Amino acid sequence: NAGVTQTPKFQVLKTGQSMTLQCAQDMNHEYMSWYRQDPGMGLRLIHYSVGAGITDQGEVPNGYNVSRSTTEDFPLRLLSAAPSQTSVYFCASSYSAPRGGSNSPLHFGNGTRLTVT
Amino acid sequence: GQQVMQIPQYQHVQEGEDFTTYCNSSTTLSNIQWYKQRPGGHPVFLIQLVKSGEVKKQKRLTFQFGEAKKNSSLHITATQTTDVGTYFCAGLTYAGGTSYGKLTFGQGTILTVHP
Repeated sequence: NAGVTQTPKFQVLKTGQSMTLQCAQDMNHEYMSWYRQDPGMGLRLIHYSVGAGITDQGEVPNGYNVSRSTTEDFPLRLLSAAPSQTSVYFCASSYSAPRGGSNSPLHFGNGTRLTVT
Repeated sequence: GQQVMQIPQYQHVQEGEDFTTYCNSSTTLSNIQWYKQRPGGHPVFLIQLVKSGEVKKQKRLTFQFGEAKKNSSLHITATQTTDVGTYFCAGLTYAGGTSYGKLTFGQGTILTVHP
């Protein structure tokens, strides 16, 4: 199994450009999510999905869109890139969506380092 | 909204010294998870604590969950250079019913170990 695969690894955009960060998992995980990591801010949830056709907003959703047409894929779209979106983006999946009690751990991809100039 | 505060932000130790990072939540947690991120890498799951007052050990790492399920700690005994990285806690709150839990990450503690 490849686990969680993210592409590209690096990307430079100009302000106003759009792009899609790809994420695919081959573990048949129900839950998929996107985080951004900024220095001193930890990992902040952008959007998440609890199954194909179901998505919802996380903590910092503005400027990003997602869709989940298949169990495997969960792309993140930047509609009009801004310098504030310069960050490292991680896709993460887990066997099941988080609920009370014991939960499935998150499996992270290798990340995409995005710079917006 | 829910906040998970993690301290310290940075910790520099000499190899062989102990290290502890602390997480505090503004609300009662359903569980807490710990992740480690090596420099340039991605977060990797270490452990999950669910029960009040729970203590778990992984070799030189000891994880504790507070009695009130609002705080947690990770203690590393006799650090090694392989312990270098950022340690994150992630607290889960869950309202019950048909809703989904919310996992909130702390800011992370960056550990450097001088040989």
